[in-house]
Amino acid sequence: NAGVTQTPKFRVLKTGQSMTLLCAQDMNHEYMYWYRQDPGMGLRLIHYSVGEGTTAKGEVPDGYNVSRLKKQNFLLGLESAAPSQTSVYFCASNYGTGRDEQYFGPGTRLTVT
Amino acid sequence: RKEVEQDPGPFNVPEGATVAFNCTYSNSASQSFFWYRQDCRKEPKLLMSVYSSGNEDGRFTAQLNRASQYISLLIRDSKLSDSATYLCVVNSGAGSYQLTFGKGTKLSVIP
Repeated sequence: NAGVTQTPKFRVLKTGQSMTLLCAQDMNHEYMYWYRQDPGMGLRLIHYSVGEGTTAKGEVPDGYNVSRLKKQNFLLGLESAAPSQTSVYFCASNYGTGRDEQYFGPGTRLTVT
Repeated sequence: RKEVEQDPGPFNVPEGATVAFNCTYSNSASQSFFWYRQDCRKEPKLLMSVYSSGNEDGRFTAQLNRASQYISLLIRDSKLSDSATYLCVVNSGAGSYQLTFGKGTKLSVIP
């Protein structure tokens, strides 16, 4: 099993450009999450999904949109990138019992200039 | 905002030392507690869940004090391979599947 994969691994954008980050999991997990991690900060939840076709806002949703058209995929979109969105983005998934671990992808390093 | 607080470190310890990490959380409704490990430029991975009775996994021991809202992780006989950042993680409330992450404590084990 591949677990959780993310594409791309690295990306440099100019301010105002758009892009989509793709997360895929092959563990049949219902719940999927997008986090960002910045130096000196803990992981912060951007958006999450509790099942195919559903999405919800997390702690820091502004400037991002998400879609979960298929159970195994969770997409994170930046419509108009800003330098403040320079970060490492992690996708995670789990069964959502509240007691099970979240499995993380390897991360996407995004720089917005 | 519900918080998880950790000593940021870094902790620099010699091989073979015992090191303890502490964590406090503010949400008294939290029910699930974890320690994750994150290597440099890698994703977080579960190290161990933390149970009310305390639990041990080899050289690692986790303790939970609900009354004080305090979690600890003890690493005995430190190895070079233990060098990483250790994240204290709690769920965001009763029955919640959302997790709140501490900022992490960096450990460097020195030969």
